[in-house]
Amino acid sequence: QKEVEQNSGPLSVPEGAIASLNCTYSDRGSQSFFWYRQYSGKSPELIMFIYSNGDKEDGRFTAQLNKASQYVSLLIRDSQPSDSATYLCAVNPPWGSQGNLIFGKGTKLSVKP
Amino acid sequence: ETGVTQSPTHLIKTRGQQVTLRCSSQSGHNTVSWYQQALGQGPQFIFQYYREEENGRGNFPPRFSGLQFPNYSSELNVNALELDDSALYLCASSTGGSSTDTQYFGPGTRLTVL
Repeated sequence: QKEVEQNSGPLSVPEGAIASLNCTYSDRGSQSFFWYRQYSGKSPELIMFIYSNGDKEDGRFTAQLNKASQYVSLLIRDSQPSDSATYLCAVNPPWGSQGNLIFGKGTKLSVKP
Repeated sequence: ETGVTQSPTHLIKTRGQQVTLRCSSQSGHNTVSWYQQALGQGPQFIFQYYREEENGRGNFPPRFSGLQFPNYSSELNVNALELDDSALYLCASSTGGSSTDTQYFGPGTRLTVL
């Protein structure tokens, strides 16, 4: 069974702090990794994707990938109350068709003013 | 806004009925994937359509079926509805053809089965 695991949280951080969200995946051959943000009652919104080992930065967001450890993380710097949402990690396994994603259950982030 | 649209927004059905959900993909995208998201869970892949052909299927029974049209819009049909089918149904479009393609989600259809 191909799995993506996330801590369900809630993760609570004060405004201005760094929020660190973590994700592990079981299929060592997975190629692409995505982070989506989902506000309550809304659909997932893409934040970042990462394919190569290392860090990828986009504004306040940094995705980190370590394929050897089968670990991907998302750092949110200078967290804002508007960042409060559920963050979904998704993995595209190598066996799958071109687009099916396996999602974790999501980590709920709460940023306190 | 991703440019992916879904209809209807909400739907209430009774057990045993059939339902059809619709999705229009983002301009330039030829691939549509459907996901089911139960409350408190991550989305689960149902199936994908690429250029009008089914291009992969998740662990869902045959009563979940789909279709993609020449304009790349898509339908999800669910027969013999069960209570557990109550969920948010998400459609995502992408350019297709690669495992690195990014999927963009529509707003979803909230289905309630009574």
